[in-house]
Amino acid sequence: GAVVSQHPSWVICKSGTSVKIECRSLDFQATTMFWYRQFPKQSLMLMATSNEGSKATYEQGVEKDKFLINHASLTLSTLTVTSAHPEDSSFYICSAMTGVGNTIYFGEGSWLTVV
Amino acid sequence: QKEVEQNSGPLSVPEGAIASLNCTYSDRVSQSFFWYRQYSGKSPELIMSIYSNGDKEDGRFTAQLNKASQYVSLLIRDSQPSDSATYLCAVNPILTGGGNKLTFGTGTQLKVEL
Repeated sequence: GAVVSQHPSWVICKSGTSVKIECRSLDFQATTMFWYRQFPKQSLMLMATSNEGSKATYEQGVEKDKFLINHASLTLSTLTVTSAHPEDSSFYICSAMTGVGNTIYFGEGSWLTVV
Repeated sequence: QKEVEQNSGPLSVPEGAIASLNCTYSDRVSQSFFWYRQYSGKSPELIMSIYSNGDKEDGRFTAQLNKASQYVSLLIRDSQPSDSATYLCAVNPILTGGGNKLTFGTGTQLKVEL
């Protein structure tokens, strides 16, 4: 299947700082990428839909000024958690959609710990 | 009513048995259906996709789709302990065109016991 790479796999940051997570589609062009958050033993929660060259569409309850999403190219989307707080600690997962049957492949995920 | 419903489980089956995972969805215009496997602490991995009514087989996995009844299932034959994971059902309303997000169920936890 298609490959989606996410970096970093894990990151620890201090409260109040910002953290950037990258999501790359390695062998296909993805006009649409998605960002999810998952707390332990809970289901995936869609945060936002990222379309190349346009502003991201955020789900209800997700602060767009806190979770900045940039989809600058057909193979790269970034999520920046600004002014991170301990409650932002979570597993962040990106996914990218192919044009074939709208199949979605996930990146490996990024564990964020805010101390 | 949730858009995509799954029994959270855990579903326990003995090694070598058939595991049957079920999913129902509410949006009748849904066209694409997916099963993902998620191990604890890892991101979801695509297992199967199905678009037409009937069965689709891939190795030990068989996806079954019934659009009239609005359900999709996943059968795992000869279950192995390594199959123990949470299985997520996902539905996409439009077959082509892109730009549409998946709606996920909450997942069914499968435990394959020795």
